[in-house]
Amino acid sequence: GQQVMQIPQYQHVQEGEDFTTYCNSSTTLSNIQWYKQRPGGHPVFLIQLVKSGEVKKQKRLTFQFGEAKKNSSLHITATQTTDVGTYFCAGPGANNLFFGTGTRLTVIP
Amino acid sequence: SQTIHQWPATLVQPVGSPLSLECTVEGTSNPNLYWYRQAAGRGLQLLFYSVGIGQISSEVPQNLSASRPQDRQFILSSKKLLLSDSGFYLCAWSAVRASEAFFGQGTRLTVV
Repeated sequence: GQQVMQIPQYQHVQEGEDFTTYCNSSTTLSNIQWYKQRPGGHPVFLIQLVKSGEVKKQKRLTFQFGEAKKNSSLHITATQTTDVGTYFCAGPGANNLFFGTGTRLTVIP
Repeated sequence: SQTIHQWPATLVQPVGSPLSLECTVEGTSNPNLYWYRQAAGRGLQLLFYSVGIGQISSEVPQNLSASRPQDRQFILSSKKLLLSDSGFYLCAWSAVRASEAFFGQGTRLTVV
């Protein structure tokens, strides 16, 4: 079956340091989506990437879709305490979304 | 604008008791609907999805079931809860299959 893996599972950074999470799919994806879940909250959609090699930015967040459309990354520059949470990538299946295992980010003030 | 309502927010149920979680979506028609479960500190496990009234697909065999009696209503049920059913249950909808998903606030279920 389709699998979407993320690494690392956990990441602790000092405030101001950069952070990157990587997502790898066992199959080629038509698109990849990224979500953020704050502690105790629900996942919130951040962005969708569709094109091979696509790069999108949202302020300090940079999202990239691999050339083969099987991997993706999210990079946060100069983390802030508001960045804490779990970041999930998600890939489309036939009728639904398969979420990655998530990366839990802790930012130490 | 579209909104999704999920209730209750928290629930403590004894082992062997029934379960009914309800989710409704407003402001859109014929949404794709999903139930996910998230164990503490873990990822999202897709349980059920529905592309229309009465159409339910199950991803994981278990003692849970889902129903969609109305276009914008999605219900997650169990006849007898197990301890292993504890978790954070999330309802979500999308306008198109496997497109951007919008999640409800979630129900934190503890089976004791």
